[in-house]
Amino acid sequence: KQEVTQIPAALSVPEGENLVLNCSFTDSAIYNLQWFRQDPGKGLTSLLLIQSSQREQTSGRLNASLDKSSGRSTLYIAASQPGDSATYLCAVDGSNYQLIWGAGTKLIIKP
Amino acid sequence: DTEVTQTPKHLVMGMTNKKSLKCEQHMGHRAMYWYKQKAKKPPELMFVYSYEKLSINESVPSRFSPECPNSSLLNLHLHALQPEDSALYLCASSQGQGAFDEQFFGPGTRLTVL
Repeated sequence: KQEVTQIPAALSVPEGENLVLNCSFTDSAIYNLQWFRQDPGKGLTSLLLIQSSQREQTSGRLNASLDKSSGRSTLYIAASQPGDSATYLCAVDGSNYQLIWGAGTKLIIKP
Repeated sequence: DTEVTQTPKHLVMGMTNKKSLKCEQHMGHRAMYWYKQKAKKPPELMFVYSYEKLSINESVPSRFSPECPNSSLLNLHLHALQPEDSALYLCASSQGQGAFDEQFFGPGTRLTVL
């Protein structure tokens, strides 16, 4: 059974720092991995989707990598800003094309 | 247009009320989803519609009734809910119901059952 883990559960860093969020999964037989952002009480914003044949995807200050063999993905945020404060979730495809979710990392960027 | 819209944003209802949540997308996506999210938890899948047909029902109680009137609209009819049904209800859509298909989410409806 696929399980997705995100460590740490919470992270607080000063503005301007580069940071890495981690996502690990137990079954490497995935088709894709998606990173989402969720602001408190709001919906989810899709940040990046990495297909199994890809090793990384970039969007602005965000870079997501995927290592299927080790069951890991990282989300790199460059030059963090207070507006980056949110909960970041990763999800992989599961059976019946459903998403299997991590519990999320709550990120706080201190001005 | 890469947006999924949901109405209402907030809903308060009693246990005897009947209400509906609405979701709309104009991206030409053929798969649409309902999720339930409790505080500080990831979303839980409730229903999936593919090409306007219900393809997945995750053993959701019958007091939740989904409807897909056309390829752009998805409704969730609510009746005789319980206080524990209070949550954020999220709608999502994707090009198809395939493993490579990116899901796009709406802003959600915050539901409170009194």
